[in-house]
Amino acid sequence: ETGVTQTPRHLVMGMTNKKSLKCEQHLGHNAMYWYKQSAKKPLELMFVYSLEERVENNSVPSRFSPECPNSSHLFLHLHTLQPEDSALYLCASSQDLSASTQYFGPGTRLTVL
Amino acid sequence: EDKVVQSPLSLVVHEGDTVTLNCSYEVTNFRSLLWYKQEKKAPTFLFMLTSSGIEKKSGRLSSILDKKELFSILNITATQTGDSAIYLCAVAASSGSRLTFGEGTQLTVNP
Repeated sequence: ETGVTQTPRHLVMGMTNKKSLKCEQHLGHNAMYWYKQSAKKPLELMFVYSLEERVENNSVPSRFSPECPNSSHLFLHLHTLQPEDSALYLCASSQDLSASTQYFGPGTRLTVL
Repeated sequence: EDKVVQSPLSLVVHEGDTVTLNCSYEVTNFRSLLWYKQEKKAPTFLFMLTSSGIEKKSGRLSSILDKKELFSILNITATQTGDSAIYLCAVAASSGSRLTFGEGTQLTVNP
């Protein structure tokens, strides 16, 4: 238990669906992150938020839309995804942007049909 | 572009063996190197290394950093089946919040 929770843990969706991934951290951290983990590839950073402000958007397609309503919650809204978007989506948090150590949630295993 | 290379990519050993996992990196304005263990889902934090030559130790796991040669090793002694996991190495630069990850080493410990 790292103090970072993610829901749902598994998601299967069609290419025309709209769904959202949720992340919540109970650590009092100020920075939150979305990562994508595909088979046999390194973790890819998608988005970084600090105090609810997006500070990095790592060339992610617009079909992924993040939202950070407060420093404890982070969402990833999904729409018109492609099969190649199937992956494990991990949320992480850190004390602030200057802290190296990030604590990860369990991830959402996404399958796009 | 920052780069992290881990080796080997996979490793199969027997319980009781000692293993050494390698991580080499190229990063502009290096700040720290981190090791994570990933079983099934969430990567869990193991070590953060910032200084060369100082060994970090936690039970049967230990790690050391060489900032001159740009690499780190993670040692696991007297391996157990519960050590089976993917071990991830990541580096952080002093500029910004980005962690660059390696592909990971898949360790399998057989009874």
